[in-house]
Amino acid sequence: DAGVIQSPRHEVTEMGQEVTLRCKPISGHNSLFWYRQTMMRGLELLIYFNNNVPIDDSGMPEDRFSAKMPNASFSTLKIQPSEPRDSAVYFCASSTDRDLLGTQYFGPGTRLLVL
Amino acid sequence: QKEVEQNSGPLSVPEGAIASLNCTYSDRGSQSFFWYRQYSGKSPELIMFIYSNGDKEDGRFTAQLNKASQYVSLLIRDSQPSDSATYLCAVGMGGGSNYKLTFGKGTLLTVNP
Repeated sequence: DAGVIQSPRHEVTEMGQEVTLRCKPISGHNSLFWYRQTMMRGLELLIYFNNNVPIDDSGMPEDRFSAKMPNASFSTLKIQPSEPRDSAVYFCASSTDRDLLGTQYFGPGTRLLVL
Repeated sequence: QKEVEQNSGPLSVPEGAIASLNCTYSDRGSQSFFWYRQYSGKSPELIMFIYSNGDKEDGRFTAQLNKASQYVSLLIRDSQPSDSATYLCAVGMGGGSNYKLTFGKGTLLTVNP
């Protein structure tokens, strides 16, 4: 069974450019989470979806960040315009409502460097 | 603000010893508790979960939960160098579609051969 898939795995871009990160959750999972991880702040929840609907986006740092989930098997996180302080590892995770504990499974992450 | 606190470490133990990792949480409504292991440059990997008071054992790992004290711990017996990683404590709460995990910042464990 394929796990959570993220692309790209690495992204280097210049300040001001648009960055799009992609995620495919585990098949059959209906909740999807976007996290950002830095040394200073640890793992922060940015936004999560349930059945393709955004439930809580209170962790999104500012209007430059947006996320969509057009269908059950695909989500994007977009940063426009990007800034050097956005450099971090971005993880996508998924879970299923059938797991009452809410166990989350993580993708490999996208390492973003904004110059 | 719901918080999950862990000692950042590093926690250094000799090979074969017991490593003890601790975590406290602020919200008494928390329902599920997880330990994830994260190797450097990799993604978090689930190693254990617990949801009722007491101990839960899985191989060399034992998770302990004390809801009255709002305390979760992970014991690793017979520590191996391959256990060297950052261990993240996560606490789950919510209901229905509004269920999410809050993570601590992690404890770096180093097992010395």
